[in-house]
Amino acid sequence: DAKTTQPPSMDCAEGRAANLPCNHSTISGNEYVYWYRQIHSQGPQYIIHGLKNNETNEMASLIITEDRKSSTLILPHATLRDTAVYYCIVNVNYGQNFVFGPGTRLSVLP
Amino acid sequence: KAGVTQTPRYLIKTRGQQVTLSCSPISGHRSVSWYQQTPGQGLQFLFEYFSETQRNKGNFPGRFSGRQFSNSRSEMNVSTLELGDSALYLCASSLATNPSYNEQFFGPGTRLTVL
Repeated sequence: DAKTTQPPSMDCAEGRAANLPCNHSTISGNEYVYWYRQIHSQGPQYIIHGLKNNETNEMASLIITEDRKSSTLILPHATLRDTAVYYCIVNVNYGQNFVFGPGTRLSVLP
Repeated sequence: KAGVTQTPRYLIKTRGQQVTLSCSPISGHRSVSWYQQTPGQGLQFLFEYFSETQRNKGNFPGRFSGRQFSNSRSEMNVSTLELGDSALYLCASSLATNPSYNEQFFGPGTRLTVL
């Protein structure tokens, strides 16, 4: 079973920030938080990952709470092309057996 | 740098047949993982190969098998196909050598339909 829980769906207005939450209350000290997204029928696309510090790259920001029991993926200026299913995964690094939950279906609305 | 490639992209088989799917990882990546995606079960991990050895295995029957070659290319095989094996089969590769930079990169998948 997935070790994460995410809301099944969210809407966001185009141009606004999309904040996608993820709960991972049983995360272990050596487990990373990964975010991927999947646009219909394509392979999942890596977005960002982190251990305990906040991370930012050209796609998104990842905010991890101090107790590491939850995190938020932030897409700063959502576009229609960001409409996808977003998956939050916790996994030890070097462990390639990701356990995907159902994810959050984000709809960016014009 | 070329991404992960999978062949074929689409495949139609009948029950009882067997099928072999191929995955070429990103150059330099030594780990290849396979996943099955169905509408009912979502994305499920099948197995992972690293340096030609199976390193992790998911909860799938023995009909599902795989291998990895010395150039890191990988194949997965499904024998005695069942209707429930219809799915999108995804391959992912990663460096699996740097603790801080170890994300998986997915290919476009092979859509298998079993009739």
